[in-house]
Amino acid sequence: DGGITQSPKYLFRKEGQNVTLSCEQNLNHDAMYWYRQDPGQGLRLIYYSQIVNDFQKGDIAEGYSVSREKKESFPLTVTSAQKNPTAFYLCAISGSGTYNEQFFGPGTRLTVL
Amino acid sequence: GQSLEQPSEVTAVEGAIVQINCTYQTSGFYGLSWYQQHDGGAPTFLSYNALDGLEETGRFSSFLSRSDSYGYLLLQELQMKDSASYFCAFGGYQKVTFGTGTKLQVIP
Repeated sequence: DGGITQSPKYLFRKEGQNVTLSCEQNLNHDAMYWYRQDPGQGLRLIYYSQIVNDFQKGDIAEGYSVSREKKESFPLTVTSAQKNPTAFYLCAISGSGTYNEQFFGPGTRLTVL
Repeated sequence: GQSLEQPSEVTAVEGAIVQINCTYQTSGFYGLSWYQQHDGGAPTFLSYNALDGLEETGRFSSFLSRSDSYGYLLLQELQMKDSASYFCAFGGYQKVTFGTGTKLQVIP
Protein backbone atom coordinates (compact mmCIF):
# COMPACT_ATOMS: atom_id res chain seq x y z
CA ASP A 1 0.00 0.00 0.00
CA GLY A 2 1.77 3.15 -1.19
CA GLY A 3 1.59 6.61 0.30
CA ILE A 4 2.50 8.77 3.23
CA THR A 5 1.82 7.60 6.75
CA GLN A 6 1.82 9.62 9.92
CA SER A 7 1.40 8.15 13.33
CA PRO A 8 -0.30 8.44 15.64
CA LYS A 9 -3.42 10.31 14.47
CA TYR A 10 -3.99 11.78 17.94
CA LEU A 11 -1.29 12.37 20.53
CA PHE A 12 -1.50 13.70 24.06
CA ARG A 13 1.49 14.80 26.09
CA LYS A 14 2.17 16.61 29.30
CA GLU A 15 3.75 20.02 29.19
CA GLY A 16 7.54 19.88 29.32
CA GLN A 17 7.87 16.54 27.55
CA ASN A 18 9.52 16.08 24.17
CA VAL A 19 7.45 14.17 21.63
CA THR A 20 8.39 12.72 18.24
CA LEU A 21 5.94 12.54 15.35
CA SER A 22 6.46 9.95 12.69
CA CYS A 23 6.33 10.49 8.91
CA GLU A 24 7.06 7.65 6.49
CA GLN A 25 6.71 7.46 2.70
CA ASN A 26 7.24 4.70 0.18
CA LEU A 27 6.77 6.78 -2.96
CA ASN A 28 10.51 7.37 -3.43
CA HIS A 29 10.16 11.14 -3.34
CA ASP A 30 13.22 13.15 -2.41
CA ALA A 31 11.64 16.16 -0.70
CA MET A 32 9.80 15.95 2.60
CA TYR A 33 8.20 18.73 4.63
CA TRP A 34 6.66 19.39 8.02
CA TYR A 35 3.87 21.93 8.48
CA ARG A 36 1.98 23.17 11.46
CA GLN A 37 -1.67 24.22 11.23
CA ASP A 38 -3.58 26.03 13.95
CA PRO A 39 -7.39 26.23 13.96
CA GLY A 40 -8.66 28.43 11.14
CA GLN A 41 -5.14 29.12 9.94
CA GLY A 42 -3.02 28.25 6.97
CA LEU A 43 -0.03 25.94 6.86
CA ARG A 44 3.26 27.16 8.25
CA LEU A 45 6.50 25.45 7.28
CA ILE A 46 8.58 24.05 10.14
CA TYR A 47 11.38 22.12 8.41
CA TYR A 48 12.04 20.60 5.02
CA SER A 49 14.53 18.19 3.54
CA GLN A 50 15.54 17.72 -0.07
CA ILE A 51 17.96 14.81 0.40
CA VAL A 52 19.06 12.35 3.04
CA ASN A 53 21.18 13.81 5.86
CA ASP A 54 20.28 17.36 4.91
CA PHE A 55 17.44 19.61 6.05
CA GLN A 56 16.61 23.31 6.30
CA LYS A 57 14.64 25.44 8.73
CA GLY A 58 11.31 26.75 7.60
CA ASP A 59 9.48 29.77 8.90
CA ILE A 60 8.75 28.51 12.42
CA ALA A 61 11.58 26.09 13.30
CA GLU A 62 12.17 27.27 16.87
CA GLY A 63 11.33 24.55 19.40
CA TYR A 64 11.39 21.76 16.79
CA SER A 65 14.04 19.37 15.51
CA VAL A 66 14.17 16.85 12.66
CA SER A 67 16.39 14.15 11.20
CA ARG A 68 16.62 12.58 7.75
CA GLU A 69 18.67 9.42 8.10
CA LYS A 70 16.66 7.52 5.50
CA LYS A 71 14.90 8.67 2.36
CA GLU A 72 11.64 7.14 3.57
CA SER A 73 11.53 8.76 7.00
CA PHE A 74 11.45 12.34 8.30
CA PRO A 75 10.52 12.38 12.01
CA LEU A 76 9.72 15.64 13.79
CA THR A 77 10.48 16.20 17.47
CA VAL A 78 8.47 18.80 19.30
CA THR A 79 10.68 19.86 22.16
CA SER A 80 9.80 21.37 25.51
CA ALA A 81 11.17 24.67 24.16
CA GLN A 82 8.18 25.01 21.82
CA LYS A 83 5.96 27.45 23.71
CA ASN A 84 2.63 26.50 22.18
CA PRO A 85 2.88 22.99 20.71
CA THR A 86 -0.80 22.08 20.53
CA ALA A 87 -1.63 21.99 16.81
CA PHE A 88 -2.30 19.82 13.76
CA TYR A 89 0.97 18.62 12.22
CA LEU A 90 1.12 17.67 8.56
CA CYS A 91 3.90 15.91 6.71
CA ALA A 92 4.17 16.31 2.96
CA ILE A 93 6.30 15.06 0.10
CA SER A 94 7.00 16.38 -3.35
CA GLY A 95 9.20 15.79 -6.32
CA SER A 96 12.27 17.85 -7.02
CA GLY A 97 12.34 20.85 -9.31
CA THR A 98 10.74 24.23 -9.37
CA TYR A 99 7.12 23.04 -9.35
CA ASN A 100 6.36 21.62 -5.95
CA GLU A 101 3.00 19.90 -5.97
CA GLN A 102 2.70 18.62 -2.44
CA PHE A 103 1.15 15.36 -1.27
CA PHE A 104 0.12 15.30 2.36
CA GLY A 105 -0.09 12.60 4.97
CA PRO A 106 -3.23 12.33 7.15
CA GLY A 107 -1.71 14.45 9.92
CA THR A 108 -1.16 14.13 13.66
CA ARG A 109 -3.21 16.18 16.07
CA LEU A 110 -1.02 16.95 19.09
CA THR A 111 -2.51 18.15 22.34
CA VAL A 112 -0.24 19.22 25.16
CA LEU A 113 -1.95 19.23 28.54
CA GLY B 1 8.74 39.31 2.00
CA GLN B 2 6.47 36.59 0.71
CA SER B 3 2.74 36.57 1.37
CA LEU B 4 -0.59 35.51 -0.07
CA GLU B 5 -3.94 37.09 0.77
CA GLN B 6 -7.33 35.42 0.49
CA PRO B 7 -10.78 36.21 1.86
CA SER B 8 -11.32 34.33 5.10
CA GLU B 9 -14.85 33.11 4.36
CA VAL B 10 -17.19 32.78 1.41
CA THR B 11 -20.77 31.47 1.33
CA ALA B 12 -22.48 30.29 -1.85
CA VAL B 13 -25.62 28.42 -2.85
CA GLU B 14 -25.63 24.84 -4.08
CA GLY B 15 -25.56 24.76 -7.89
CA ALA B 16 -24.10 28.26 -8.17
CA ILE B 17 -20.62 29.49 -9.16
CA VAL B 18 -18.13 30.93 -6.69
CA GLN B 19 -14.78 32.64 -7.19
CA ILE B 20 -12.05 32.63 -4.53
CA ASN B 21 -9.42 35.30 -5.05
CA CYS B 22 -5.75 35.29 -4.13
CA THR B 23 -3.22 38.09 -4.32
CA TYR B 24 0.43 37.48 -3.62
CA GLN B 25 3.79 39.12 -3.07
CA THR B 26 7.04 37.34 -3.75
CA SER B 27 10.44 37.96 -5.23
CA GLY B 28 10.75 34.59 -6.96
CA PHE B 29 7.66 33.11 -8.53
CA TYR B 30 7.26 29.60 -9.93
CA GLY B 31 3.49 29.40 -10.25
CA LEU B 32 0.30 29.44 -8.22
CA SER B 33 -1.31 26.30 -6.82
CA TRP B 34 -4.63 25.59 -5.15
CA TYR B 35 -5.39 23.04 -2.45
CA GLN B 36 -8.62 21.86 -0.84
CA GLN B 37 -8.92 20.81 2.79
CA HIS B 38 -12.01 19.38 4.43
CA ASP B 39 -12.44 19.81 8.16
CA GLY B 40 -10.13 17.45 10.03
CA GLY B 41 -8.47 16.23 6.85
CA ALA B 42 -5.26 16.86 4.97
CA PRO B 43 -4.95 19.29 2.04
CA THR B 44 -5.23 17.84 -1.44
CA PHE B 45 -3.89 19.39 -4.60
CA LEU B 46 -6.44 20.88 -7.02
CA SER B 47 -4.63 22.83 -9.71
CA TYR B 48 -1.52 24.71 -10.76
CA ASN B 49 -0.91 27.71 -13.02
CA ALA B 50 2.61 28.40 -14.22
CA LEU B 51 1.56 30.81 -16.95
CA ASP B 52 -1.10 33.49 -17.31
CA GLY B 53 -4.56 32.32 -18.20
CA LEU B 54 -7.20 29.82 -17.25
CA GLU B 55 -6.68 26.15 -16.44
CA GLU B 56 -9.79 23.98 -16.32
CA THR B 57 -10.18 20.69 -14.47
CA GLY B 58 -13.77 19.52 -14.47
CA ARG B 59 -15.92 21.80 -12.32
CA PHE B 60 -12.85 23.65 -11.07
CA SER B 61 -10.88 26.29 -12.97
CA SER B 62 -7.93 28.37 -11.88
CA PHE B 63 -6.71 31.65 -13.31
CA LEU B 64 -3.42 33.50 -13.03
CA SER B 65 -2.27 37.00 -13.95
CA ARG B 66 1.41 37.37 -13.15
CA SER B 67 1.46 41.06 -14.04
CA ASP B 68 -1.23 41.69 -11.40
CA SER B 69 0.15 39.14 -8.89
CA TYR B 70 -3.36 37.75 -8.76
CA GLY B 71 -5.15 34.51 -9.24
CA TYR B 72 -8.48 32.92 -8.52
CA LEU B 73 -10.15 29.55 -8.17
CA LEU B 74 -13.54 29.17 -9.82
CA LEU B 75 -15.89 26.45 -8.67
CA GLN B 76 -18.92 25.73 -10.84
CA GLU B 77 -22.08 23.74 -10.17
CA LEU B 78 -21.37 23.87 -6.46
CA GLN B 79 -22.11 20.76 -4.44
CA MET B 80 -22.47 20.40 -0.69
CA LYS B 81 -19.26 18.37 -0.64
CA ASP B 82 -17.37 21.42 -1.90
CA SER B 83 -17.72 22.93 1.58
CA ALA B 84 -14.09 23.08 2.66
CA SER B 85 -11.15 25.41 3.05
CA TYR B 86 -9.24 26.41 -0.07
CA PHE B 87 -5.63 27.54 -0.01
CA CYS B 88 -3.61 29.26 -2.68
CA ALA B 89 0.10 28.65 -2.60
CA PHE B 90 3.12 29.62 -4.61
CA GLY B 91 6.02 27.37 -5.23
CA GLY B 92 9.44 28.75 -4.88
CA TYR B 93 12.64 26.81 -5.31
CA GLN B 94 12.54 23.92 -2.82
CA LYS B 95 9.54 25.03 -0.82
CA VAL B 96 5.93 26.16 -1.03
CA THR B 97 4.29 29.09 0.78
CA PHE B 98 0.58 28.80 1.60
CA GLY B 99 -2.05 31.47 2.07
CA THR B 100 -4.23 31.53 5.19
CA GLY B 101 -7.12 29.89 3.38
CA THR B 102 -10.72 30.65 2.45
CA LYS B 103 -13.47 28.70 4.17
CA LEU B 104 -16.24 28.00 1.67
CA GLN B 105 -19.67 27.17 2.97
CA VAL B 106 -22.15 25.81 0.44
CA ILE B 107 -25.77 26.21 1.52
CA PRO B 108 -28.85 24.50 0.07
